[in-house]
Amino acid sequence: DAGITQSPRHKVTETGTPVTLRCHQTENHRYMYWYRQDPGHGLRLIHYSYGVKDTDKGEVSDGYSVSRSKTEDFLLTLESATSSQTSVYFCASRGGMKNTEAFFGQGTRLTVV
Amino acid sequence: GENVEQHPSTLSVQEGDSAVIKCTYSDSASNYFPWYKQELGKRPQLIIDIRSNVGEKKDQRIAVTLNKTAKHFSLHITETQPEDSAVYFCAASISSGNQFYFGTGTSLTVIP
Repeated sequence: DAGITQSPRHKVTETGTPVTLRCHQTENHRYMYWYRQDPGHGLRLIHYSYGVKDTDKGEVSDGYSVSRSKTEDFLLTLESATSSQTSVYFCASRGGMKNTEAFFGQGTRLTVV
Repeated sequence: GENVEQHPSTLSVQEGDSAVIKCTYSDSASNYFPWYKQELGKRPQLIIDIRSNVGEKKDQRIAVTLNKTAKHFSLHITETQPEDSAVYFCAASISSGNQFYFGTGTSLTVIP
């Protein structure tokens, strides 16, 4: 597997609290992505980044923000967690252009109670 | 944006039989179509991919076909084995672009 890790792997948090998930890659990949995985919905794109400080929204971005201050790190923040954000979150990265394969992190299971 | 539809959502086959999963996409600019396999509790991993300048690609028991005109592509698994049981995702992307769009997944069960 490419060097891409997520932290934490599991988290339980209360409604209304802020939560930050971290994705770290050691492949010097240009592109990074955050997806959420829910039964019946597959993998839905939340936000993505195409370079340091360059980010854009995906299809389900409401309630989420991201930051990328370094090539290797992509942070996902839930400003005020809600029960609908209970999900498994996956980070992915790829080099871009001819390096088209996306590599996934191990996933973070987030429960909002 | 791109819209990827995937069918069926669940599929059960007897060991040794073939399995076929189909996807359609909406953006004619998409030119890269990977397939990912996700075992229970694991991360998705690439198993095969195809680019729009190719109509078919094989890798041992796995093959992918692409029909650009109809905007659909399919995954074919022959001689299925219990270890093929997993969730399979198709995706579409513009290789020079930023976004990957995934289908909703197919849960494949291979019955011994």
